[in-house]
Amino acid sequence: SQQGEEDPQALSIQEGENATMNCSYKTSINNLQWYRQNSGRGLVHLILIRSNEREKHSGRLRVTLDTSKKSSSLLITASRAADTASYFCASLDSNYQLIWGAGTKLIIKP
Amino acid sequence: DTAVSQTPKYLVTQMGNDKSIKCEQNLGHDTMYWYKQDSKKFLKIMFSYNNKELIINETVPNRFSPKSPDKAHLNLHINSLELGDSAVYFCASSQDATEAYGYTFGSGTRLTVV
Repeated sequence: SQQGEEDPQALSIQEGENATMNCSYKTSINNLQWYRQNSGRGLVHLILIRSNEREKHSGRLRVTLDTSKKSSSLLITASRAADTASYFCASLDSNYQLIWGAGTKLIIKP
Repeated sequence: DTAVSQTPKYLVTQMGNDKSIKCEQNLGHDTMYWYKQDSKKFLKIMFSYNNKELIINETVPNRFSPKSPDKAHLNLHINSLELGDSAVYFCASSQDATEAYGYTFGSGTRLTVV
């Protein structure tokens, strides 16, 4: 299945700083989802934003969606060491197929 | 209670062997999936079952055979294992086949073929 794109591939920041990850996709979508994967673990669903939404919040997470640019961003505010993980976006296309990004590896330095 | 559980967590086996990975979900979801994650972390869907019926069958060697005895279980059997099969295999489930509500993933099975 085709792969979406995420950038950066890796991001290293100090604890307390904000982290922003970007995701781009190629086709029209029904929704876009963000997942977190801690090292050696399964993926955990974080947040879902529908195609008619532009911004969504969940705790320290803020997701934006720009359908004209076919892109989304995930912002984690006031980062903590426990946020260290890989973050994946997945776009649900019009055929209800989930297209995954390659992931961003986030490292939070104490 | 574990929502999606897969066993075993680790599997080390020799080339040519046949092995199975089991998956069970207690969420009442209709749809289950098998994904393969390679060493570069790329996630690739292998199979999807909706209410015990196969709905997605990506280009996967026919040595891989999924079996869904009921909608809460989706097992993966692999024949004649090869070195290239080494990866982490994830089972997942979603409320329905539209995947509109997000997936719940198992914790993965790390398969190493030697």
